[in-house]
Amino acid sequence: AQSVAQPEDQVNVAEGNPLTVKCTYSVSGNPYLFWYVQYPNRGLQFLLKYITGDNLVKGSYGFEAEFNKSQTSFHLKKPSALVSDSALYFCAVRDFKAAGNKLTFGGGTRVLVKP
Amino acid sequence: DVKVTQSSRYLVKRTGEKVFLECVQDMDHENMFWYRQDPGLGLRLIYFSYDVKMKEKGDIPEGYSVSREKKERFSLILESASTNQTSMYLCASRFGSGSQETQYFGPGTRLLVL
Repeated sequence: AQSVAQPEDQVNVAEGNPLTVKCTYSVSGNPYLFWYVQYPNRGLQFLLKYITGDNLVKGSYGFEAEFNKSQTSFHLKKPSALVSDSALYFCAVRDFKAAGNKLTFGGGTRVLVKP
Repeated sequence: DVKVTQSSRYLVKRTGEKVFLECVQDMDHENMFWYRQDPGLGLRLIYFSYDVKMKEKGDIPEGYSVSREKKERFSLILESASTNQTSMYLCASRFGSGSQETQYFGPGTRLLVL
């Protein structure tokens, strides 16, 4: 089965510093990878996705992610973090071998950006 | 903008009650999903539907059922609520296929079963 792993439960970063949220995947075939963000007491908001093409994907709110096939990673990055980026971030992979081609999610990484 | 709405943001129910969670999307999506979210476990798929009156079990369907009588509405039913069903419930719908596909989520319903 397809899976993703987010090795860090929490990431702390100072405002203005670079932010990286890690994700590794395990799939057979070509992966469809996604990042979502969840602000407190809200649903998930789509940030970006990798389907094919350029390994560097740009998304909403200044976020980007780099697809690295050799390292099976899809890390989320932002050059300069804002306090308002404090939220819960989920990596997900489309599982084409599962019924409904469902999304399989990682456990989530909480990001805390300190002023 | 795609809009997925859920009928309640917060619910408090008692053990044994029948609970209905409603989800409506306004973009004519075929696919709709119900997840539950628990700390450290991410999102786990309960049920999904790929068309009206069609449904499939997800990873954790036990204790739940669903109903999809109209394309825009997907309901999650807890036949007899239990305390281990206290959780955040998220509905989603999916647009498109291939490179255009994106899954959109509702705001969530936080359910407390006493």
